[in-house]
Amino acid sequence: QVQLQESGPGLVKPSETLSLTCTVSGGSVSSGSYYWSWIRQPPGKGLEWIGYIYYSGSTNYNPSLKSRVTISVDTSKNQFSLKLSSVTAADTAVYYCAGLRYFDWLIDYWGQGTLVTVSS
Amino acid sequence: QSALTQPASVSGSPGQSITISCTGTSSDVGGYNYVSWYQQHPGKAPKLMIYDVSNRPSGVSNRFSGSKSGNTASLTISGLQAEDEADYYCSSYTSSSGVVFGGGTKLTVL
Repeated sequence: QVQLQESGPGLVKPSETLSLTCTVSGGSVSSGSYYWSWIRQPPGKGLEWIGYIYYSGSTNYNPSLKSRVTISVDTSKNQFSLKLSSVTAADTAVYYCAGLRYFDWLIDYWGQGTLVTVSS
Repeated sequence: QSALTQPASVSGSPGQSITISCTGTSSDVGGYNYVSWYQQHPGKAPKLMIYDVSNRPSGVSNRFSGSKSGNTASLTISGLQAEDEADYYCSSYTSSSGVVFGGGTKLTVL
């Protein structure tokens, strides 16, 4: 069974860059069946799709975040990563990494989520 | 990219049926049969309940069903149980940017 685990700082200062990594176990990020994705959920609010990356390196980002987001993949480590620049308090959220099955656009693998707080 | 529209809350008594709607546009819900529904309990990651409008993953109760008409998809839960109390989110493929979620619906079992 594929498992995903987020890792990274739980506290980031305003204007700095948020960096998270997702480690995939029980499967491979080189699987051609999945887009490896990041999704976030501000406290008490709904889910927001951030973007995804294919193992080949092709990406797609939420237009509202596109100017600040970079998603990358490291097939040798079976990991993919998120960088979100110039963060503000509005970026405080639980960040989930997820596996989006590309041929029917469903998410059947989720990480447990990690809370990132933006505060000085 | 606008979120899909869901009611903020719905409620029902044990044993009853409820329906949650998810309204989008012809660029997402109406244009493709790639609508999924997720259940999220407090403090937990979402769980896939319905995909491709009306398909259930293995292990999901047949009390959960999905449908679509035009730009609106629906999730129906029959025979409500206390454990169904959770937040529910729809999502859809969107031609503009990949994936879009609904705003979420809080289901209360009275």
